[in-house]
Amino acid sequence: AQKITQTQPGMFVQEKEAVTLDCTYDTSDPSYGLFWYKQPSSGEMIFLIYQGSYDQQNATEGRYSLNFQKARKSANLVISASQLGDSAMYFCAMREGGRGYSTLTFGKGTMLLVSP
Amino acid sequence: EPEVTQTPSHQVTQMGQEVILRCVPISNHLYFYWYRQILGQKVEFLVSFYNNEISEKSEIFDDQFSVERPDGSNFTLKIRSTKLEDSAMYFCASSERTGPNYGYTFGSGTRLTVV
Repeated sequence: AQKITQTQPGMFVQEKEAVTLDCTYDTSDPSYGLFWYKQPSSGEMIFLIYQGSYDQQNATEGRYSLNFQKARKSANLVISASQLGDSAMYFCAMREGGRGYSTLTFGKGTMLLVSP
Repeated sequence: EPEVTQTPSHQVTQMGQEVILRCVPISNHLYFYWYRQILGQKVEFLVSFYNNEISEKSEIFDDQFSVERPDGSNFTLKIRSTKLEDSAMYFCASSERTGPNYGYTFGSGTRLTVV
């Protein structure tokens, strides 16, 4: 079974509008971390935001916020006031805490295109 | 801000040749990783490295792959005899600690093309 599922291969949004990128995850480990990365066309992986499984509040970082619904196992990324520079591939990832050397597992990504 | 440095940014090699991809992790990080991303596909884990030994590896990381930390700063991925299907973006990453609260800092990647 996929640990991270991103069901939207592509999303379109107009500049200045908000957009939500979906991510669901699968784990039986009570301790885990959820991460979002941005990959622009230049290829690098840029960390955006993190949510811990025990965090009581949704994470926020500037225009990025994470809509964390633990019971539904979803961790959607919300980008407010989209900018042209937000056009990129976005990856949701998870790191589980149960094992000593847990690795980061990625979803397939969502391509976001922001139009003027 | 500290960063992970990867060289070269692009490499073209002939099938069957050996390649070495180089990485300089963040200096106070203890855990190192290699991931790869075949064009248009998901980012896949290859190997993790801690305390001068491999801590975990995926099915992709077969005998043609090896990693090494030859000195106190570099971390290398060697592919002994490259195949066409090794063409991908290879990312090095490091993290200060292991555990679910710690994400990785990724390098900018090396785009490997095998011809």
